[in-house]
Amino acid sequence: EVQLVESGGGLVQPGGSLRLSCAASGFTVSSNYMSWVRQAPGKGLEWVSVIYSGGSTYYADSVKGRFTISRHNSKNTLYLQMNSLRAEDTAVYYCARSLGDTAMVYDYWGQGTLVTVSS
Amino acid sequence: AIWMTQSPSLLSASTGDRVTISCRMSQGISSYLAWYQQKPGKAPELLIYAASTLQSGVPSRFSGSGSGTDFTLTISCLQSEDFATYYCQQYYSFPPTFGQGTKLEIK
Repeated sequence: EVQLVESGGGLVQPGGSLRLSCAASGFTVSSNYMSWVRQAPGKGLEWVSVIYSGGSTYYADSVKGRFTISRHNSKNTLYLQMNSLRAEDTAVYYCARSLGDTAMVYDYWGQGTLVTVSS
Repeated sequence: AIWMTQSPSLLSASTGDRVTISCRMSQGISSYLAWYQQKPGKAPELLIYAASTLQSGVPSRFSGSGSGTDFTLTISCLQSEDFATYYCQQYYSFPPTFGQGTKLEIK
């Protein structure tokens, strides 16, 4: 059974850092396209970043230069390192697996982890 | 970026009704459109991709249509578990973008 379990969210001050983790089971992270998608409280969905199976990474303009997506193959875990956090980064962050070769369609999602950026 | 307009934002309906949700794109995207359902406090779930392909395990009362700039999600014979928020998403070009959502509530 495919499962994604996020962790690492919490309250952080503006300018601070957090690292989110997404532990996967039932499939191999490194063989799939994996993304982070966020949802601000009461708002819609916003794509954040993707890492392709080959290792290429891409980011939304709103987080480029501040966030870094990575994976640890032996731990079968996806990460999102978030630096220079801003109030507008406050959201539930979901990791999501892409559907087969359809890079940006997500067939499995984690339960989400809440990041709150506030002083 | 490609933007979409989802309508309506709020839809009131009753169990057994047939409802449609529209998604209009700012430019043509062929059939690179997906639909998701999200219930409060839960992650989104994939319903349809490639505009009209039903994801495995999704009930056949859900259907999608359209291509280019205009797309529709139809739910025939609403069930109680269908009351949720629905999002369209384009994946034709980077960055992938989502509609603002349609909340389907019980009338």
